[in-house]
Amino acid sequence: DTAVSQTPKYLVTQMGNDKSIKCEQNLGHDTMYWYKQDSKKFLKIMFSYNNKELIINETVPNRFSPKSPDKAHLNLHINSLELGDSAVYFCASSQGGRSDTQYFGPGTRLTVL
Amino acid sequence: QQQVKQSPQSLIVQKGGISIINCAYENTAFDYFPWYQQFPGKGPALLIAIRPDVSEKKEGRFTISFNKSAKQFSLHIMDSQPGDSATYFCAASYNFNKFYFGSGTKLNVKP
Repeated sequence: DTAVSQTPKYLVTQMGNDKSIKCEQNLGHDTMYWYKQDSKKFLKIMFSYNNKELIINETVPNRFSPKSPDKAHLNLHINSLELGDSAVYFCASSQGGRSDTQYFGPGTRLTVL
Repeated sequence: QQQVKQSPQSLIVQKGGISIINCAYENTAFDYFPWYQQFPGKGPALLIAIRPDVSEKKEGRFTISFNKSAKQFSLHIMDSQPGDSATYFCAASYNFNKFYFGSGTKLNVKP
């Protein structure tokens, strides 16, 4: 059973489009995250939710909007896609509390043409 | 400003050798220092982690050395194997799981 799953695995789209990436975890964790990994492999946190509540919102354009319908799901919606949004997006989850282990999903490779 | 600085960017080691990756941080509030391993096409996976109250942690062939006064920590992979070839990330966190990652080290272990 996959602990943290993401769909789709690959996403190719045109500039200006709106797209969503879905994430689900079956670990019973309270906290979920979105990370962006750029072409140089640099991994940067974008958002963090704890029990459906936003707790970390880094300096991310407001074209990016996370949505957590329940604590097992954290989706990422991106409006008006730009070339610079091309990256691999990782969802992760952790039990919560201080400095806990994060479990990452397999990633979604987004290519904006 | 990058909170965690990692070096080297890439590393080539012969099979059986020791791989050493270094990280440095500035923020003394960090209280958890994990290392993640990432294979191509996969998400990062926790390899080993340490808290600042110990100077060393060993799990199998993997050892973290931690120097609190120097604000540095390193990963040592003993008897490196081709299957260890991957990208390794150090990270540091505090305050409700906000993690800062290093820039990654691509390790290539030659057979």
